[in-house]
Amino acid sequence: DVKVTQSSRYLVKRTGEKVFLECVQDMDHENMFWYRQDPGLGLRLIYFSYDVKMKEKGDIPEGYSVSREKKERFSLILESASTNQTSMYLCASSLFFRSGQETQYFGPGTRLLVL
Amino acid sequence: GQQVMQIPQYQHVQEGEDFTTYCNSSTTLSNIQWYKQRPGGHPVFLIQLVKSGEVKKQKRLTFQFGEAKKNSSLHITATQTTDVGTYFCAGRAGNTGKLIFGQGTTLQVKP
Repeated sequence: DVKVTQSSRYLVKRTGEKVFLECVQDMDHENMFWYRQDPGLGLRLIYFSYDVKMKEKGDIPEGYSVSREKKERFSLILESASTNQTSMYLCASSLFFRSGQETQYFGPGTRLLVL
Repeated sequence: GQQVMQIPQYQHVQEGEDFTTYCNSSTTLSNIQWYKQRPGGHPVFLIQLVKSGEVKKQKRLTFQFGEAKKNSSLHITATQTTDVGTYFCAGRAGNTGKLIFGQGTTLQVKP
């Protein structure tokens, strides 16, 4: 069973704070993703990584950065949190797309509130 | 940019009624996946369609991929309260592992 874990289920931060969200997967997946989920907007991709130290911007990368120093770990960083970054953050992982097994496995999510 | 539109956004049905959600892409997709998210949960993979015109069934759920590979649908026959949740389609266009998700359809089932 693939397991994707996220460091926190709920987080409350103040405007201007630096926020780290951690994601770890245990299935040796090449691809990892960070999404945010907001009502009526579905899942929007922030960043993804297809290999260690590699990253690509998704649809809404502004205000975020990422780090992938090890294959199993993908971190999302909010350099200076703002209230419009209050959201549910979902991490996912998948095998390399040419594998034919492109299922994305999601973590439980982190609900972030920025005051 | 590439977009995947999903309708309707919400659907309320009486238990036993059928339900359909539709997905349309602005570009041709390599494949399409469907996910279900239960209330308070995270998206869970249901199925992947790859071939033009493909139809797959999982018990009461029927998934279709359009001939032009730009649209898809999920049909649930005789809904049950366990079907409650948000259903997302997600398409891959191009040669990366990146998926474009639709906005989701939230299904409520009245017992």
